Formats: sequence, structure tokens, C-alpha cells
Amino acid sequence: AQSVTQLDSHVSVSEGTPVLLRCNYSSSYSPSLFWYVQHPNKGLQLLLKYTSAATLVKGINGFEAEFKKSETSFHLTKPSAHMSDAAEYFCVVIDNSGGSYIPTFGRGTSLIVHP
Amino acid sequence: NAGVTQTPKFRVLKTGQSMTLLCAQDMNHEYMYWYRQDPGMGLRLIHYSVGEGTTAKGEVPDGYNVSRLKKQNFLLGLESAAPSQTSVYFCASKARLAGSTDTQYFGPGTRLTVL
Repeated sequence: AQSVTQLDSHVSVSEGTPVLLRCNYSSSYSPSLFWYVQHPNKGLQLLLKYTSAATLVKGINGFEAEFKKSETSFHLTKPSAHMSDAAEYFCVVIDNSGGSYIPTFGRGTSLIVHP
Repeated sequence: NAGVTQTPKFRVLKTGQSMTLLCAQDMNHEYMYWYRQDPGMGLRLIHYSVGEGTTAKGEVPDGYNVSRLKKQNFLLGLESAAPSQTSVYFCASKARLAGSTDTQYFGPGTRLTVL
């Protein structure tokens, strides 16, 4: 079974300060993990994904995430927030077993960026 | 290359009316998905399809039906709409290559209101 928990429903930062969006997962097998971003009234866009290669994954727009198996975490970070980063962020897990590629989404974290 | 498109973008229904949402993808993807997005709930899987002519239930299938008569199209039907089905509906598609590591591509969404 697989599940994902996004630990914060809202994160508020000032422009230019670091961003940390937290995600913990549960998976019976070696998982694939994704972060998607959704800007207001838009569809979802892939930020980055972990697929059992390097544990530190770099994505678009300066975001990166580190897979930590011992902590079952896949937190998303960015050194310096930009106003355009304000959006909803979703952590997604897929359990690499049984040939069933059904993702499980977290409930989302709303990132608010203040000028 | 349009990616994933959804028709219509907006719709208002009265309780008991029926409608069909159309999802089309031009990437020759095997997998297609229908999700609903409600505030604070993330994305919840309604139905999915692993290939032409096949469909399966997701997490919240009640009140919905789907069909995948052509590989590029995935239809979501509401036979008798209820106010609880007011939501934003997203379609997604994914290639079957390399299993779960592939990215899902999302449509722009359909905003449905049931009065």
C-alpha cells in the first residue's frame, strides 16, 4: 500500500527567503516520487521526479528535492522564493509493484509568497 | 502537439441532469485518468484506463461512468448529477514505457457546478 502526507496545508514566506515544503510517504516497495505545481486556475505541471537514481533531484525553476529513505521523506526546497512561485504544490507517490501504476496524491500545500 | 485537452472548460448543471466530459490526448499514451479536485482534498482518482477498451475504478467512482473506445479519448459521464459532484475535473495521461517513472500529463481542467 502507498500513501503520502504533506505536512503543511499552507506555507508562507517572504520573497527572497528559502522555501521548504514537506512530504512524507509510505510505500511497500521502492517508490517513485513526484512534485507537481498548480498555478491558480491551471492544470498540474511536473516540477521534478525521483526514480531511484540520484537521491538529490533537481527540477524546474530552481526547485530541488532530496529522497531520504531512512526518514521516508521527499521534501521540496528552493533557496530563494519568487513571487511567481505562489501556487499549490502536490507530492505524489507511486508504488513500484504489481504493474499497477496508480499514483497517490497528497492533499497539497499552498505556497504564499509575500513581497 | 496539443497534449491533453478537455472539453468543456466550464459547465453548470441542474440536479439530475446528465453530461459527458471529453478528454483527448495526442501523445499516443496508453494510460489515462480522471480525477476530481476539491479544496483541501488534493486530487482523487475517479476512474482510469490502461488501454483502449479497458477501464477500472479508482478511489471515488460512485456516480460516474467512463469509456475508452479510442486510445486517444477518455470520456467521463455523469448520468444524474448531484450537488456533491460540484468540483474541478482533471484528465491526465501517461505512457506505459518504463513503468511508474513516467510523468503524468494533465489537461487544463473542467469546472463543473451542479445546482
